[in-house]
Amino acid sequence: AQKVTQAQTEISVVEKEDVTLDCVYETRDTTYYLFWYKQPPSGELVFLIRRNSFDEQNEISGRYSWNFQKSTSSFNFTITASQVVDSAVYFCALSAEDNYGQNFVFGPGTRLSVLP
Amino acid sequence: ETGVTQTPRHLVMGMTNKKSLKCEQHLGHNAMYWYKQSAKKPLELMFVYSLEERVENNSVPSRFSPECPNSSHLFLHLHTLQPEDSALYLCASSQDYGTGVQPQHFGDGTRLSIL
Repeated sequence: AQKVTQAQTEISVVEKEDVTLDCVYETRDTTYYLFWYKQPPSGELVFLIRRNSFDEQNEISGRYSWNFQKSTSSFNFTITASQVVDSAVYFCALSAEDNYGQNFVFGPGTRLSVLP
Repeated sequence: ETGVTQTPRHLVMGMTNKKSLKCEQHLGHNAMYWYKQSAKKPLELMFVYSLEERVENNSVPSRFSPECPNSSHLFLHLHTLQPEDSALYLCASSQDYGTGVQPQHFGDGTRLSIL
């Protein structure tokens, strides 16, 4: 079965601090995809990144960076020099096949508050 | 602008009412999804339509009835709902349906409150 754990329910940081959001996943499939989404107060989920299981290169996009480590089944997300606009709920998600077909599972989310 | 539009944004209804949620996408996508987001719970996939055919129905009570008349529109018909059905209902679309093929584009959601 697929599972995504985001152990941090809520995080508060002061603007300009760096913050890392943890994501640990479980799957028996060897081919899978990992995602991060941002959900601002408006409610809409915004896609941030997709990573497939064969690509362990870390990725940087502006102030965002992602660390994918298959050895620890983790796909952590770091925001550098956080800003108030980064305040949102962040979801990690996993897409993989299981015995019943394709499955797309979200983690419970981490609420990030960036204080001015 | 997300490309996926949901109406209404907010809905308050009694348990005996019948209402419908509407989702529309102008992205040319072939797959559309309904998710339920309850407080302090992970997003739950409810239904998936690919090329207007329902491909997933994740043990959703029959008081929720989806309809996909064409690839651009998706409805969720509601009747005889329970208080625990109060949640944010999110619609999403993707180019195709399959494992990790495409990221999903989400609408702003309909916040449903059952009295």
